[in-house]
Amino acid sequence: DTEVTQTPKHLVMGMTNKKSLKCEQHMGHRAMYWYKQKAKKPPELMFVYSYEKLSINESVPSRFSPECPNSSLLNLHLHALQPEDSALYLCASSQDAGRGYGYTFGSGTRLTVV
Amino acid sequence: GESVGLHLPTLSVQEGDNSIINCAYSNSASDYFIWYKQESGKGPQFIIDIRSNMDKRQGQRVTVLLNKTVKHLSLQIAATQPGDSAVYFCAEISHNAGGTSYGKLTFGQGTILTVHP
Repeated sequence: DTEVTQTPKHLVMGMTNKKSLKCEQHMGHRAMYWYKQKAKKPPELMFVYSYEKLSINESVPSRFSPECPNSSLLNLHLHALQPEDSALYLCASSQDAGRGYGYTFGSGTRLTVV
Repeated sequence: GESVGLHLPTLSVQEGDNSIINCAYSNSASDYFIWYKQESGKGPQFIIDIRSNMDKRQGQRVTVLLNKTVKHLSLQIAATQPGDSAVYFCAEISHNAGGTSYGKLTFGQGTILTVHP
């Protein structure tokens, strides 16, 4: 299995909703990442998990809450989002965070906040 | 540097031509580079990578060239096909001042490749 699987593929949520994005990989990778991508822009890093511990938070607002239940799973909990948070949310994984070899992205969740 | 505007660089080629997509990077501490292809509505797809101890690496129909002196990376696609139409991003692994990487990929602005039949 050489894939990063993200669910759901599309999500529409209101500003008062709570939802979660899910990411799964079975490549034995020990680093997992959340990126945010706006239209016509490159992906921007949000969070890095290394060996199931949060190692980087790129000053992301607290309405985004990551969670890494085990080495194969990564969640992003969403609460009280704003319309400007609408974007493509990408999960990625790599062999480890130190060198980043095997950096693989999922297909993303297209999030729309209304 | 990064483009601030909404317009990505574009490259239009005819089917069968060779394509060259360029990328400049700024971090001299970066030692690992990746090219990604991103089709509309999809996540970035790995194409080819190169480590800084190499200056050229070849894959199937693709070649990456790395010039560390001028901090320049290029992706060459041979016999470009309509299915190659996409946005192409270069990315580098960033290191902190101590030389440790935390796995953060820094992306270039991207180039839109359009292949005409």
